[in-house]
Amino acid sequence: GAVVSQHPSWVICKSGTSVKIECRSLDFQATTMFWYRQFPKQSLMLMATSNEGSKATYEQGVEKDKFLINHASLTLSTLTVTSAHPEDSSFYICSASHPDRFNQPQHFGDGTRLSIL
Amino acid sequence: SQELEQSPQSLIVQEGKNLTINCTSSKTLYGLYWYKQKYGEGLIFLMMLQKGGEEKSHEKITAKLDEKKQQSSLHITASQPSHAGIYLCGADSAGTASKLTFGTGTRLQVTL
Repeated sequence: GAVVSQHPSWVICKSGTSVKIECRSLDFQATTMFWYRQFPKQSLMLMATSNEGSKATYEQGVEKDKFLINHASLTLSTLTVTSAHPEDSSFYICSASHPDRFNQPQHFGDGTRLSIL
Repeated sequence: SQELEQSPQSLIVQEGKNLTINCTSSKTLYGLYWYKQKYGEGLIFLMMLQKGGEEKSHEKITAKLDEKKQQSSLHITASQPSHAGIYLCGADSAGTASKLTFGTGTRLQVTL
């Protein structure tokens, strides 16, 4: 089946560092990818919709300058957490919309656990 | 905006028992998706429902979407420890089969 790879799976860094997370669709082209954030014991909250070749669409309350999204190719979207602080620590998950989306579901990566010290 | 409520929030069942998780939408749905997640891991797709009254089964899990397409249930028969995890319903409210809004989640524990 369709596979989405997310990297890294786990990252620890110092406050003030910028962290880049990659989301790749391995066997299909995804014009649209999504980035979610999940706090402990809570559901997934959509942060932004990543569109290939155009600007991302951010959900209300998500800082565009804080969470930079780039979708430069049909198989890769990146999320960069700029100048990360402890409150940015969370579990980030991406998903990719399959071309046959009306018959196939969104495919999710395995997530990235970000810990800011 | 789309709101999805899941109930119960958490559930502890003894192995072998049946259980049901509900997902209720504030709006009519174009599609309803069920996923399972082990905490700290990605989502595993379980089932997709699109038609009112639709019912799908896979192994010991059955999902239904009501006729009005505003409520779905996920039923697990003869639960096993491998069923433990967080169950999330996701809604496509725009008809794009793309952007999903997720429910509040149900945490399932299965005891021996």
